[in-house]
Amino acid sequence: GAVVSQHPSRVICKSGTSVKIECRSLDFQATTMFWYRQFPKQSLMLMATSNEGSKATYEQGVEKDKFLINHASLTLSTLTVTSAHPEDSSFYICSASPDVKGTDTQYFGPGTRLTVL
Amino acid sequence: GQQLNQNPQSMFIQEGEDVSMNCTSSSIFNTWLWYKQDPGEGPVLLIALYKAGELTSNGRLTAQFGITRKDSFLNISASIPSDVGIYFCAGQRAGGTSYGKLTFGQGTILTVHP
Repeated sequence: GAVVSQHPSRVICKSGTSVKIECRSLDFQATTMFWYRQFPKQSLMLMATSNEGSKATYEQGVEKDKFLINHASLTLSTLTVTSAHPEDSSFYICSASPDVKGTDTQYFGPGTRLTVL
Repeated sequence: GQQLNQNPQSMFIQEGEDVSMNCTSSSIFNTWLWYKQDPGEGPVLLIALYKAGELTSNGRLTAQFGITRKDSFLNISASIPSDVGIYFCAGQRAGGTSYGKLTFGQGTILTVHP
């Protein structure tokens, strides 16, 4: 199957700093990428949908100014957590789809564990 | 956001036993998906279902897309220790503002005792 990578796999940062997480599709062009957040022992919750070259669409309750998403190319999307606080500590997972609507199979990355001290 | 109702929340079984879990929704989905997630990893797709009534197998796994399009189940036969993990169902719509988005169930934590 298609491969999606995330970098870094885990990051620890101080409160108030910003953290950038990268999501790359390694062997296909990802027209659509999705960003999820997963708290311990909970399910994946969709944060936002991004299409290459356009602004991301955020889910209700997700602050777009806090979670900046850039889908600059067909193989790379980045999520920047700005002014991170301890409550932002979570497991962030991206998925990528070759379909413009994301209705084709979504391939998930391995996740990034963010810990904010 | 909306979540699917997935049951059971956890299962403790002996190696060799069969496992069954299901998901229900109050609304219709066009696609049902089943994923497995190991600790610290992203979900891995097990089975995808695209038509109401569809029954699909992947090795020891069998899943069905409910006739009403509001439910799905996953069966694992003859469980082995490496089946341990969290299993998620996910529904996907093909229209409206939810186009392409996945809605996940709460997950079923499976523990297999040797």
